[in-house]
Amino acid sequence: ETGVTQTPRHLVMGMTNKKSLKCEQHLGHNAMYWYKQSAKKPLELMFVYNFKEQTENNSVPSRFSPECPNSSHLFLHLHTLQPEDSALYLCASSHLSLGEQYFGPGTRLTVT
Amino acid sequence: ELKVEQNPLFLSMQEGKNYTIYCNYSTTSDRLYWYRQDPGKSLESLFVLLSNGAVKQEGRLMASLDTKARLSTLHITAAVHDLSATYFCAVDARSGGSNYKLTFGKGTLLTVNP
Repeated sequence: ETGVTQTPRHLVMGMTNKKSLKCEQHLGHNAMYWYKQSAKKPLELMFVYNFKEQTENNSVPSRFSPECPNSSHLFLHLHTLQPEDSALYLCASSHLSLGEQYFGPGTRLTVT
Repeated sequence: ELKVEQNPLFLSMQEGKNYTIYCNYSTTSDRLYWYRQDPGKSLESLFVLLSNGAVKQEGRLMASLDTKARLSTLHITAAVHDLSATYFCAVDARSGGSNYKLTFGKGTLLTVNP
């Protein structure tokens, strides 16, 4: 059983919808990450949070809005997405002093 | 900008054979990670390599790191079907402050045939 959980596991949304992805880590880590995994592309880092503070935004469009209320929870708010945003969205966490990241099961997002 | 290149990207091998996956990276780093991903699943950590010359082994997989050559290898010995998966290497490229920021290779899709 992974120490990082994500909900929902699957999401289909229209381009005008608003939805949120949730990630929770039970590992006592202090850094959390959002990644996007598209077919035939390398895993892309989207956002990094340390102790609830955003420290990295990898030129992500504003239709993706992250939120980190505490070091155990991370959200990704979605609005007016495009079909090319369809992908697997992975959350990960780590200790700041250790680089190894632990991944959640992912949310398979389809934008219609 | 750190670039991480894996090869091959696709590998089809027979059970019982040996093979090596290569991971090259473009800038100095002494932390490298190997992950496994099964279809439809998330990434599972396999190896953490934290220094030049590091070698780790688990079952039929062995990973090594040469930081001077900026190269890591994942060697598969006597492959079995259960090893079929996509394997990713990831290199630490610290961003500002104390962040660890992993840059991933494109992954190697390994298929082991009976």
